[in-house]
Amino acid sequence: GAVVSQHPSRVICKSGTSVKIECRSLDFQATTMFWYRQFPKQSLMLMATSNEGSKATYEQGVEKDKFLINHASLTLSTLTVTSAHPEDSSFYICSARDPGPGSMRYTFGSGTRLTVV
Amino acid sequence: AQSVTQLGSHVSVSEGALVLLRCNYSSSVPPYLFWYVQYPNQGLQLLLKYTTGATLVKGINGFEAEFKKSETSFHLTKPSAHMSDAAEYFCAVSVEYGNKLVFGAGTILRVKS
Repeated sequence: GAVVSQHPSRVICKSGTSVKIECRSLDFQATTMFWYRQFPKQSLMLMATSNEGSKATYEQGVEKDKFLINHASLTLSTLTVTSAHPEDSSFYICSARDPGPGSMRYTFGSGTRLTVV
Repeated sequence: AQSVTQLGSHVSVSEGALVLLRCNYSSSVPPYLFWYVQYPNQGLQLLLKYTTGATLVKGINGFEAEFKKSETSFHLTKPSAHMSDAAEYFCAVSVEYGNKLVFGAGTILRVKS
């Protein structure tokens, strides 16, 4: 079945530095990927929709300049948290939509636990 | 805009008992509905989904859900709970093919021995 690989699984960084999170579809081409953020004991909140070869579509309230999304190929999307601060500490999850006809299948990565100290 | 309400942030059942997790949705058009399970510090795994056709959907690990349009519900059930079912469960809705998913707040299922 479809597999989405997300790295790193955990990262600790200093305040003010940038962190890049990678999301790869391993056995299918994902024209669309989604990035979510999940606070402790809360649901997943969509941050942005990433389309291969075009600019990402951000949800209201998400800072584009802080959360940089790049979807340069059909199998890779990256989320860069720039100038990270402790309030950016969270669990980030990516998801790729399988483009198979009528599949409506969304495969999720295993998530990245970001801690900013 | 579509939305999802999961009744009960925590549900506790005994091992072997019926599991019932409730999900109601709001949508002005026919929805696509999903149930996902999440174990601690992991991503989401699809349990089942409803797109079209039969309203009773069977998923993995013995779970099933029934789409009831008149009640705008998509409750998740399992006849007999197992300890390994303890996790957090999310109901989600999408109203357009390939569109983003909107998630409910989640329900943590606890299974008592």
